[in-house]
Amino acid sequence: EAGVAQSPRYKIIEKRQSVAFWCNPISGHATLYWYQQILGQGPKLLIQFQNNGVVDDSQLPKDRFSAERLKGVDSTLKIQPAKLEDSAVYLCASSAGGLFGYTFGSGTRLTVV
Amino acid sequence: GENVEQHPSTLSVQEGDSAVIKCTYSDSASNYFPWYKQELGKRPQLIIDIRSNVGEKKDQRIAVTLNKTAKHFSLHITETQPEDSAVYFCAAGYTGNQFYFGTGTSLTVIP
Repeated sequence: EAGVAQSPRYKIIEKRQSVAFWCNPISGHATLYWYQQILGQGPKLLIQFQNNGVVDDSQLPKDRFSAERLKGVDSTLKIQPAKLEDSAVYLCASSAGGLFGYTFGSGTRLTVV
Repeated sequence: GENVEQHPSTLSVQEGDSAVIKCTYSDSASNYFPWYKQELGKRPQLIIDIRSNVGEKKDQRIAVTLNKTAKHFSLHITETQPEDSAVYFCAAGYTGNQFYFGTGTSLTVIP
């Protein structure tokens, strides 16, 4: 089966600019997650979708981050405006739910200068 | 929410020796405990997982143990090889829901 697709792989932007990341989950996976992984740390959940609805966005900095999954398939995560501390790898993961774990995409490495 | 602690943060072993990484969790309702291996610049890859109704699970050189009473679980790698060198993350949560990750263990296997 095809894996979780993410793009772009790398992005360098200046602080205060905006950026968007895209994720296409494994076909049929209803649950989609966006994680932020800062260098040297474990992944931290930003937002969880079930189909096109938000399950948990309690750790999403909503003043600057937004995410959507309009048709319940692919998803976009946006940062506007970016700060230096947003430099991290943004990982998307998807799950079939139930008793299954989930699969990560390759991630987008964001550098804010 | 769940809080997962992981130790040690770095671990060096000689090739052929065993490596043990330990994690504790706080939420007794967590029922699923996956372990991920992340090589430099790559995505985390699931290497083994255990559910709360099982005390131990083994897959070739890798084993995981779970003590629900003490709320801790461990990863054991035997006969380590240089290709085992990576960062390992434990996680805890509910299946179908988010996982909370530990801070990672950087394992180096010295040839």
